[in-house]
This record gives sequence, structure tokens and C-alpha cells, in this order.
Amino acid sequence: IAGITQAPTSQILAAGRRMTLRCTQDMRHNAMYWYRQDLGLGLRLIHYSNTAGTTGKGEVPDGYSVSRANTDDFPLTLASAVPSQTSVYFCASSVAPTATDTQYFGPGTRLTVL
Amino acid sequence: AQSVTQPDIHITVSEGASLELRCNYSYGATPYLFWYVQSPGQGLQLLLKYFSGDTLVQGIKGFEAEFKRSQSSFNLRKPSVHWSDAAEYFCAVRRGSQGNLIFGKGTKLSVKP
Repeated sequence: IAGITQAPTSQILAAGRRMTLRCTQDMRHNAMYWYRQDLGLGLRLIHYSNTAGTTGKGEVPDGYSVSRANTDDFPLTLASAVPSQTSVYFCASSVAPTATDTQYFGPGTRLTVL
Repeated sequence: AQSVTQPDIHITVSEGASLELRCNYSYGATPYLFWYVQSPGQGLQLLLKYFSGDTLVQGIKGFEAEFKRSQSSFNLRKPSVHWSDAAEYFCAVRRGSQGNLIFGKGTKLSVKP
């Protein structure tokens, strides 16, 4: 069982370019999440999806969009990347979007925007 | 608004020594509390969680945490630290309705031989 896979592992991107970070889970979890991790700030929620076909905004959604066409995939798109989006991005999932459900994290994507 | 504070940015302990990592939360209702560990270059792994009941929670890798409502704390402890415990530790609180995790800024643990 792979759990959560993220691609690419790392990427260097020119400012203004479009980029999609991929996230796939094979656990049939209903809820999925995208976080960014910045030094000294911990992890902050970008977007979430409680179930396929629905999405919601987290704490820092500006400049990012997501879609949830099916249960397994939850891509994160940067329409026009800016240097402040340099970060490590983590995808997570849980069985259900409830407080008692454990969130499982992918290995992360390290993104550098120049 | 909910918040999580981890007062210690970096802690160094000797191998075999005891460990306590502090976590304070701000939340009006009964919180759902979590501790995660992140090894260098890795994703986050759940160590333990508290929802209700016994305030002393046992987790993986020999860790435990105690929920103290009067102090709004959920400190992580381990009686004897191993070199492999060197990592960054995150405390998190969860909102009941949406399940979004609010993370602290993390405490980096270094272990001296």
C-alpha cells in the first residue's frame, strides 16, 4: 500500500509560470488537504476537500486552486507562481473530515520559485 | 480563534535523558489534540492523539502526552530519548466541525551522543 504519493519531489520554477502539484491516495479516504510548510511558521492549510466534488478554502488559499474530480486525486495548481510560494507542500488525507480522524501525510514537494 | 503555541523552537537533550516538549492551545471547547513528528526530508507521522477520556495518552515510539485542561497544555514526553528521535515535532489542534488541523510552529529536537 503506497498511501499518499506526491509529484514532483522537488521543482524549480520561474516566476509567472503555471505549476500543478499532484497528489494521489490509494486509501479511499474521503477527505484530502493541502498544506504548505515554511520555516518558523509550521504547516498552514491551503485548501481542503471533504469529499469528491467539493473543495474549500483554508488559511492561505490566495494564488492556489484545487479540484477533486475523483476520490483518489487532489491536484494543487499555482496559476502564476510568485517567489513567496517557495515552500514545501504536503498533501494529506483522512477517512472523513471529522475531528477524530487521523490525517495521513504524503512525503512532500519542495517548490522553489525564482 | 484557535491557536497552538510551542514555546521551544529548538531543544537539545543527551541520549538516554528524559524529554518534555511543551504545547499550549487556545480553543473554547474541548480540543482534539495531536502530536506529529517529522524526520528530516520526510512527511509528518502521527505520534498520538487525544479526544476525550484518560488524560494521559500513549503513542508510538515510546512517547506519551498529558492533557491538562487547567493549563491548556498537551505536553509530549519520553522517559529516555534515542538518537533516532532527532526530528521536528508539531503539536496540532483540530476544529470539531471541519476537521482542519491548526499546527504549532514546531520544536526541533537534537540528540547529543
